Amino acid sequence: GAGVSQSPSNKVTEKGKDVELRCDPISGHTALYWYRQSLGQGLEFLIYFQGNSAPDKSGLPSDRFSAERTGGSVSTLTIQRTQQEDSAVYLCASSLRSASTDTQYFGPGTRLTVL
Amino acid sequence: EDQVTQSPEALRLQEGESSSLNCSYTVSGLRGLFWYRQDPGKGPEFLFTLYSAGEEKEKERLKATLTKKESFLHITAPKPEDSATYLCAVQDRDNFNKFYFGSGTKLNVKP
Repeated sequence: GAGVSQSPSNKVTEKGKDVELRCDPISGHTALYWYRQSLGQGLEFLIYFQGNSAPDKSGLPSDRFSAERTGGSVSTLTIQRTQQEDSAVYLCASSLRSASTDTQYFGPGTRLTVL
Repeated sequence: EDQVTQSPEALRLQEGESSSLNCSYTVSGLRGLFWYRQDPGKGPEFLFTLYSAGEEKEKERLKATLTKKESFLHITAPKPEDSATYLCAVQDRDNFNKFYFGSGTKLNVKP
């Protein structure tokens, strides 16, 4: 079946511009996560959705970052007034979140470059 | 503080030379430990989930084991196509929302 998809795969933007990153989770997966991966670093948690609600936003680095999820499916991560330190790969993962497993399945990521 | 530490950071093996990767963790309670493989320019690909000490999972040349403080990913007779970065993650039993990832071990298998 279809896996997690993300778009765009690459985004180059100028400092100060806003960007939107999209994630389409696996159909039926109720949990959705956003992570950021910088070169040579581990995955940094950003935000978690259960359905359309975001009970854990603790990883968002600043108020320039926001995310929403609609219809319990597609999610959009928005970064306003981008800075060079926002350059990274943004990964989305989804999970069935059942009683027996919380395994996350990842998308291919969006590579964001802020000039 | 670091919740998950992976070692070594990088590992170079000859084809057929077996070895192990280590993932040690310090979360107070473990709900699950996850191993992923990540190829350059791609998202992490799920390999295994382990839930309790003593549990083992196998897939082709890979075998994952779990103790109360660490997990090992054993690679038997590796091939060049096993070259990738291997990531370990732990899920906190007291907060299911929290997954802590290590920085990974970059494996390079030479033919």
